[in-house]
Amino acid sequence: QQPVQSPQAVILREGEDAVINCSSSKALYSVHWYRQKHGEAPVFLMILLKGGEQMRHEKISASFNEKKQQSSLYLTASQLSYSGTYFCGTEEGSTLGRLYFGRGTQLTVWP
Amino acid sequence: GAVVSQHPSRVICKSGTSVKIECRSLDFQATTMFWYRQFPKKSLMLMATSNEGSKATYEQGVEKDKFLINHASLTLSTLTVTSAHPEDSSFYICSARGGFGNEKLFFGSGTQLSVL
Repeated sequence: QQPVQSPQAVILREGEDAVINCSSSKALYSVHWYRQKHGEAPVFLMILLKGGEQMRHEKISASFNEKKQQSSLYLTASQLSYSGTYFCGTEEGSTLGRLYFGRGTQLTVWP
Repeated sequence: GAVVSQHPSRVICKSGTSVKIECRSLDFQATTMFWYRQFPKKSLMLMATSNEGSKATYEQGVEKDKFLINHASLTLSTLTVTSAHPEDSSFYICSARGGFGNEKLFFGSGTQLSVL
């Protein structure tokens, strides 16, 4: 049930781009993306519900493939504030309501 | 946006004692809340689903008698770690959907439990 998330860590310079991937062996009901800063609770970024869907929030966007088994988070022109750990959370139709999280991707942005 | 309040934020207790953590939905009713556990630099592991007015649904491998969950009202769920031991030390976070028709999951601020 836990999705596979990659890469485990990314180090960037400010202004560079990054991609984080999340995949499941089963078709999903939804995929959620969260960012967590050290010692804080995760903060919601976006949710994808439909196959082929793409969502955008400022310079962060996400996609959900047609088969609803893979999602990617795209961070464009990264800012220092993007640093943190990114988690994808997946929801299956058989266990609606329950979100299972990947292992996380630690993103560090340097000036 | 929806707000989920969690208390206490930090608790230190002696081995063998019980600790209660509260999770409240402040501006919406949550028939279902979720409890997660997170070890340092690790992922959020779903422990159980808290259902208002009925028994909680525990994930495989989670001890029901160790982690007691009560969801007595539409805005309050509690997690009690009974007879805590050092290996129970962890970051516990509750979450809830943001009300009817809202698919987003909102998290409480978390509780850092340290068992001595």
